[in-house]
Amino acid sequence: RKEVEQDPGPFNVPEGATVAFNCTYSNSASQSFFWYRQDCRKEPKLLMSVYSSGNEDGRFTAQLNRASQYISLLIRDSKLSDSATYLCVVNMGGGKLIFGQGTELSVKP
Amino acid sequence: DAGVIQSPRHEVTEMGQEVTLRCKPISGHDYLFWYRQTMMRGLELLIYFNNNVPIDDSGMPEDRFSAKMPNASFSTLKIQPSEPRDSAVYFCASSLSRTNTGELFFGEGSRLTVL
Repeated sequence: RKEVEQDPGPFNVPEGATVAFNCTYSNSASQSFFWYRQDCRKEPKLLMSVYSSGNEDGRFTAQLNRASQYISLLIRDSKLSDSATYLCVVNMGGGKLIFGQGTELSVKP
Repeated sequence: DAGVIQSPRHEVTEMGQEVTLRCKPISGHDYLFWYRQTMMRGLELLIYFNNNVPIDDSGMPEDRFSAKMPNASFSTLKIQPSEPRDSAVYFCASSLSRTNTGELFFGEGSRLTVL
């Protein structure tokens, strides 16, 4: 089993839609969690951290369920500029950051 | 401020040749990571360093791969001999541990093609 697994993509949605991505991790001792965004042929960049109580940043909401070892990212009112690959990242401890394979999102007009 | 700097940006080589990828982390960052990205396998962690010391190299695929960090401002990833299956984008990233934000700063990557 992979250490970090994500929904297979691609997700094709119209502008204004709400879309959710899921991610599961295998190591119950994992310490912290993040979502990164990667544009085509670019490097990944931090989108947001994921806190135990859930957190929101504008149109983006991240949630963590430690009991189920599950992380989610919700994007509301999606924009064309949201088109990218979204990567779930887990800190396994000691600074070791493991990336999921990523979920591709394409927002259409 | 300069970000993470990687070189070369692109390299095309023939099977059996030695490849050396270089990375300059952000000044003051104490963690340095090497990742490899392919369509099939996504972003794989190869090795990471803390204060120039290798902490975990379990992701290094085989003995053909080696990485060094002789000082806080420079790291290399070497493949010898290279094989076509090594073709990928190799990313270097650095971070500052004391902030504990999980924010890795990536270089633009080195795109390697082995013929």
